[in-house]
Amino acid sequence: SQKIEQNSEALNIQEGKTATLTCNYTNYSPAYLQWYRQDPGRGPVFLLLIRENEKEKRKERLKVTFDTTLKQSLFHITASQPADSATYLCALLEYGNKLVFGAGTILRVKS
Amino acid sequence: GAVVSQHPSWVICKSGTSVKIECRSLDFQATTMFWYRQFPKQSLMLMATSNEGSKATYEQGVEKDKFLINHASLTLSTLTVTSAHPEDSSFYICSAREAGIAKNIQYFGAGTRLSVL
Repeated sequence: SQKIEQNSEALNIQEGKTATLTCNYTNYSPAYLQWYRQDPGRGPVFLLLIRENEKEKRKERLKVTFDTTLKQSLFHITASQPADSATYLCALLEYGNKLVFGAGTILRVKS
Repeated sequence: GAVVSQHPSWVICKSGTSVKIECRSLDFQATTMFWYRQFPKQSLMLMATSNEGSKATYEQGVEKDKFLINHASLTLSTLTVTSAHPEDSSFYICSAREAGIAKNIQYFGAGTRLSVL
C-alpha cells in the first residue's frame, strides 16, 4: 500500500539549533516533493518544492534533500527560532496525479 | 507567493442548513482548485478537484450531492455543504494551482472551521 510517513512525535529543540524533519514514502514515484508549514487553525503555507532529479534545494534558513533511492526527504531549519514552531507537512506529487500529504510533524523551538 | 482567500474562516450552523464556503485566488488565475478536509491531528484529505467551467471530480467516498462544488471562473470556486449534520463538522481548506510556470505548486486558503449543532 502507499504510505507517506513523518515523525508522529513532536520534535523539541533549543533555539539556535538545526531542526531536521524526515519524510519517508512507500510505493510512490513522485515527480515533485513539497514541504508546507501549517499553524493551528490555518491552511498550509508552501515552503519549498524539489524535483525528482534534484538532490538539494535551499531557501534562506531552509534546506530540503531528496533521495529517490532511499525514498526519503529531509527538511532542515538552521538557526531555529521560536517562530518556527509549527506543524510541517510533506507532500508528494506524481505525474498526472494529485498532491498527497503526510500527517505532519510538530516542531517546537524553545528559547 | 500567490494568495488564496477563503471565507468564512469560521461558521456555526444548525443541523439541516446549508453552508457555502468561497475560495478566491487573488493575484493569479487558477485553472484547477482543490477542496480538502482535515480532522484534528490528521492529514489533509482531498475531497474533490475542480477545473474552471467543468464539473468537479470527487474522491472516492465523497458524496457529490452533499458537497456541491462550483468553479465559475478562473479565480473563484465555492463549496456548499448541503443539509449539514454534526458529522460534517470539520476544517475545510481550499487550494489553487497556478496556471503556467509555477503550476506544480498549490497555494492554500486559511481554512474554514465548520461547526454543525
